[in-house]
Amino acid sequence: DAKTTQPNSMESNEEEPVHLPCNHSTISGTDYIHWYRQLPSQGPEYVIHGLTSNVNNRMASLAIAEDRKSSTLILHRATLRDAAVYYCIRTTGSARQLTFGSGTQLTVLP
Amino acid sequence: KAGVTQTPRYLIKTRGQQVTLSCSPISGHRSVSWYQQTPGQGLQFLFEYFSETQRNKGNFPGRFSGRQFSNSRSEMNVSTLELGDSALYLCASSLAVTQGEGELFFGSGTQLSVL
Repeated sequence: DAKTTQPNSMESNEEEPVHLPCNHSTISGTDYIHWYRQLPSQGPEYVIHGLTSNVNNRMASLAIAEDRKSSTLILHRATLRDAAVYYCIRTTGSARQLTFGSGTQLTVLP
Repeated sequence: KAGVTQTPRYLIKTRGQQVTLSCSPISGHRSVSWYQQTPGQGLQFLFEYFSETQRNKGNFPGRFSGRQFSNSRSEMNVSTLELGDSALYLCASSLAVTQGEGELFFGSGTQLSVL
């Protein structure tokens, strides 16, 4: 089973940090964790990915638990433009054959 | 650098017809993947092409097919359209450097409505 578990929805206030959790308890040693987000009326957009270590890029940070059974996407300062559906994806094999779940709908309040 | 371009943006067809969707990847990207998005099933992988060869295929009937040209542009074809084929069809391109890594760059999709 390549699925992950995420909350259906979360809310955050503008300019505050957001922690989006993801559970992937059956992950194998070679599976990567990818995060994508989809804004309304657009295709998904890559956010970040990692294997074991925490990762940072200009968009976000990814914190991966030591046992790799869960991870957290961190948006350091949420803006209204960050309102989107965030997908946590576990890649078993090709990073181009992604199995999307239902994701987390993030609402950012002004 | 131009992004992934999908044409047409919107399409209306009737049951039984066939349709061809087009995708132009980012320059230099040799992998093109196709996804179907519906409210009920979410985003589902259709297939991936690399260097004109289909490399991976999702769980869709044979009515769904695709191809990739030598310039990496790709087309997706759906024959004998059914009402359930109404969906947003998304194309994504990538450098396809390593198996488990790399990011996909998605286009804005083609919204297909089957009447």
